[in-house]
Amino acid sequence: SQTIHQWPATLVQPVGSPLSLECTVEGTSNPNLYWYRQAAGRGLQLLFYSVGIGQISSEVPQNLSASRPQDRQFILSSKKLLLSDSGFYLCAWSRDIQYFGAGTRLSVL
Amino acid sequence: AQKITQTQPGMFVQEKEAVTLDCTYDTSDQSYGLFWYKQPSSGEMIFLIYQGSYDEQNATEGRYSLNFQKARKSANLVISASQLGDSAMYFCAMREAFHGNQFYFGTGTSLTVIP
Repeated sequence: SQTIHQWPATLVQPVGSPLSLECTVEGTSNPNLYWYRQAAGRGLQLLFYSVGIGQISSEVPQNLSASRPQDRQFILSSKKLLLSDSGFYLCAWSRDIQYFGAGTRLSVL
Repeated sequence: AQKITQTQPGMFVQEKEAVTLDCTYDTSDQSYGLFWYKQPSSGEMIFLIYQGSYDEQNATEGRYSLNFQKARKSANLVISASQLGDSAMYFCAMREAFHGNQFYFGTGTSLTVIP
């Protein structure tokens, strides 16, 4: 069966510090991969998605970037975090149905 | 235009009663999929049920059923025999088969089950 791992679960970072969130999928090959952000009490905002290694589509201009160095690995990064980057970040994979990781709560102080 | 519209920000239901969460969608594709997800306070998004645009029967998964009305472009989620553990945010989503790999999500409905 397929599983998706996302870490860390919680992260507190100072403004201006770098960020790296990692997501890996097991049990499938060549999945579509996604990064979403969710503000408190709000819906999901698609940040990036990838249909293959090195192929990244950005949906929202922002302070973040994504990379897919391996087929089942998706990384969300920032060189310098802003206060507005705080939120709940969800990684997901899909073929027909989209499945989500447990999420990372990021607080930028 | 919004691809997915959920007009109920919050809903309350008595335990053991049924509840319907509304979802309407907008697409010009003939082939698409509709999904419902549950997000408890822990934050994880849990897949509940899927309906394909060509499926003639309404999808059912245990206590969850999807009331699919194609002509009205609605895909309401029905939860029967509500339980306290059903209290959560519920999101409706759509994937268009011929417009890339994106999933479009609604703004969600917060369901509270009252004992």
